[in-house]
Amino acid sequence: DQQVKQNSPSLSVQEGRISILNCDYTNSMFDYFLWYKKYPAEGPTFLISISSIKDKNEDGRFTVFLNKSAKHLSLHIVPSQPGDSAVYFCAATFFLQAAGNKLTFGGGTRVLVKP
Amino acid sequence: DAGITQSPRHKVTETGTPVTLRCHQTENHRYMYWYRQDPGHGLRLIHYSYGVKDTDKGEVSDGYSVSRSKTEDFLLTLESATSSQTSVYFCAISGLGGLEETQYFGPGTRLLVL
Repeated sequence: DQQVKQNSPSLSVQEGRISILNCDYTNSMFDYFLWYKKYPAEGPTFLISISSIKDKNEDGRFTVFLNKSAKHLSLHIVPSQPGDSAVYFCAATFFLQAAGNKLTFGGGTRVLVKP
Repeated sequence: DAGITQSPRHKVTETGTPVTLRCHQTENHRYMYWYRQDPGHGLRLIHYSYGVKDTDKGEVSDGYSVSRSKTEDFLLTLESATSSQTSVYFCAISGLGGLEETQYFGPGTRLLVL
């Protein structure tokens, strides 16, 4: 049972346009959400996060929106650049004392930004 | 650069052989994690550690064991490798383990079990 799902395995967008990546979750206990970006042959790198007490978080070209009632979050990249071509993973977690910050990941969305 | 290295970076082995992957950190972080990445599944947690000699199971721990005898090293062992354990393995670290603590990932180890 996948608790975090990214239903679009791939996305193609023109340079300069907006990329919208979607993520759905089922576990109501999740209260912190993250997006990671991954290039081939490298480890994932942290991109942006959002706490469940917020509905929006912005960092430069990246904005994450959270809709708790729908158990849905999205990542907007504006404007998209060729260097944004990568696989993007959505992840979710909740705090477990002394157990660390165990992340549950979605399956990933491969983004291709065309020049 | 979060100071995480993984070794080996690539390995080919045969079914039934033991395999040990090493994660080494220079950040003195308390928490360390092992994930595997497979197509369609994203990354799934295998085991994690919240201190020296303190470890616990993750989502897909069957067939894997871990050890952490020093803060800087977290070892993942496949006691008897199977073809289903062909995957890319990532180690991650975090400092405080708190809710908003970012995990930093190593470069990965690509394992092929024939």
